[in-house]
Amino acid sequence: GAGVSQSPSNKVTEKGKDVELRCDPISGHTALYWYRQSLGQGLEFLIYFQGNSAPDKSGLPSDRFSAERTGGSVSTLTIQRTQQEDSAVYLCASSWSFEVEQFFGPGTRLTVL
Amino acid sequence: AQSVAQPEDQVNVAEGNPLTVKCTYSVSGNPYLFWYVQYPNRGLQFLLKYITGDNLVKGSYGFEAEFNKSQTSFHLKKPSALVSDSALYFCAVRGVQTGANNLFFGTGTRLTVIP
Repeated sequence: GAGVSQSPSNKVTEKGKDVELRCDPISGHTALYWYRQSLGQGLEFLIYFQGNSAPDKSGLPSDRFSAERTGGSVSTLTIQRTQQEDSAVYLCASSWSFEVEQFFGPGTRLTVL
Repeated sequence: AQSVAQPEDQVNVAEGNPLTVKCTYSVSGNPYLFWYVQYPNRGLQFLLKYITGDNLVKGSYGFEAEFNKSQTSFHLKKPSALVSDSALYFCAVRGVQTGANNLFFGTGTRLTVIP
């Protein structure tokens, strides 16, 4: 596609439920990132995928968070047993490599009730 | 450790006046520096970057930024502000030698251009 796409655009869930967020990066981009943007905060790095290398998971806040990238393209961020503090906008970005600018998707707004 | 500081949460400027959005950084080794803009209900858009070379870099929508190594700053500037420039601006840094894969973002500066 022309840009990074994310789905759903909005997700409302109940505390304790699992959620899956999807990211379709720009075709050909080997690097893919997940960030979290909380109200009034900057962007918090979550996880990074580069090609077939093992992902950099250093930003994941707890073991309830996990992500996969299948076939070097689409990525899914999964949050298990959601908590209210997980409410945020989850942003996905992709790039040709880590040296160059990242292209961001529109984000998924997650609200945990 | 890498970090970015945007000392101003809010910047107000009159339309037609020059604008500056400040950014300072801390990183080991040479930095890669970026500015992004976020319009309401939209994702972040890349504005410009400094990797190497000329300290003054020009980007989209008439914006420019100057890399100052001695002051560890990368302030965003525009000679004449437009109302349509009103948005949230983020500065970001990556250290070349730290091995970190991600960008470190500042907390953002909300720019309001007053007609």
